[in-house]
Amino acid sequence: AQSVTQPDIHITVSEGASLELRCNYSYGATPYLFWYVQSPGQGLQLLLKYFSGDTLVQGIKGFEAEFKRSQSSFNLRKPSVHWSDAAEYFCAVVGQAGTALIFGKGTTLSVSS
Amino acid sequence: GAGVSQSPSNKVTEKGKDVELRCDPISGHTALYWYRQSLGQGLEFLIYFQGNSAPDKSGLPSDRFSAERTGGSVSTLTIQRTQQEDSAVYLCASSLSPATNEKLFFGSGTQLSVL
Repeated sequence: AQSVTQPDIHITVSEGASLELRCNYSYGATPYLFWYVQSPGQGLQLLLKYFSGDTLVQGIKGFEAEFKRSQSSFNLRKPSVHWSDAAEYFCAVVGQAGTALIFGKGTTLSVSS
Repeated sequence: GAGVSQSPSNKVTEKGKDVELRCDPISGHTALYWYRQSLGQGLEFLIYFQGNSAPDKSGLPSDRFSAERTGGSVSTLTIQRTQQEDSAVYLCASSLSPATNEKLFFGSGTQLSVL
């Protein structure tokens, strides 16, 4: 069965600095990968997804993620963080068709001024 | 509806009581998912429906948990003989088709507190 690991529970980044959130997955074939964000008091929102093709995918709010098969990773990046990016970020994976989306435990991002 | 609707938004119950949590998915969405979110545990998958059937119920933590979906629409998650460890936010999500191809739309959740 597929699984996903987010090694960092909490990260603090200065406003304007770059950001990278780590995600590692476990699945025998090429999975479908997602990043979701949950802002305080709000529901989960899809940032971006990878199914196939170009391994660098662009999402909303200036985020991007790169799929690296050799490292079983799908790290989320943003070149310049804004205070409004403070939230909890979840990486998720789906394996074979018809199975459910499995989430990591999340990384909480704090932005300092 | 405009979005995924969950009710109640908050539920406080006594240990040992049964509770029912309701989810109204977006109209036309065939796939429906239940997750549980606890502090430090992320989103824990419970059960997934495609139409009225549940191809994957592997995440239900015990036989006290059950869920059904009728008419390919509304779903109810039932927890019998609630325990304090059941306290969490229960999230429902729906999508047009299974998650491989479509993004999930999440409800605001039901905050369950078991005293």
